[in-house]
Amino acid sequence: AQSVSQHNHHVILSEAASLELGCNYSYGGTVNLFWYVQYPGQHLQLLLKYFSGDPLVKGIKGFEAEFIKSKFSFNLRKPSVQWSDTAEYFCAVNGRNAGNMLTFGGGTRLMVKP
Amino acid sequence: EAQVTQNPRYLITVTGKKLTVTCSQNMNHEYMSWYRQDPGLGLRQIYYSMNVEVTDKGDVPEGYKVSRKEKRNFPLILESPSPNQTSLYFCASSLSGTGHQPQHFGDGTRLSIL
Repeated sequence: AQSVSQHNHHVILSEAASLELGCNYSYGGTVNLFWYVQYPGQHLQLLLKYFSGDPLVKGIKGFEAEFIKSKFSFNLRKPSVQWSDTAEYFCAVNGRNAGNMLTFGGGTRLMVKP
Repeated sequence: EAQVTQNPRYLITVTGKKLTVTCSQNMNHEYMSWYRQDPGLGLRQIYYSMNVEVTDKGDVPEGYKVSRKEKRNFPLILESPSPNQTSLYFCASSLSGTGHQPQHFGDGTRLSIL
């Protein structure tokens, strides 16, 4: 079975601060990894994804994430956050042998103070 | 415009009164899925469908039914709703069920069961 853990439930930052949100997964095989963002009152949107190749993936809006296989981690980063980044962020994993079953972490609510 | 459409967006009802939440996608996607989102638990998959007439249970299928008679539609049925099914529900679709396809989400349906 696959599972995802996001350790930070709430993060508060000031504008221009750097961001790193933790994501650890559990699965005994090859994985596809995703970060989704949910802005207030909206549906989830894909930020970035990792399937294979370069473990450092770049997504939309200046976000990036690094897959570290030895640590089962896929942390999300942004060098300088903006007020408009206030949202909830979800890490998700799909084990390659799990069909298209996507398992989400509990989410991290980010608030950026202007 | 490519989209996943859910109806209704909001519903307040009483225990035991059957309800259906509709989901329709216009992208000719093979894969469709239902999730519920609860605070601190992220999104949990209820049911998914790899194609027409093919449905499978996700992590939390109890109390729910689905059908996939047409490719574009994937309704979620609560035969006898109970208060613990009060939640925010999302329908999602992706091109195929191969796991690496990102999912497109609807705007959500907020259900309150009294």
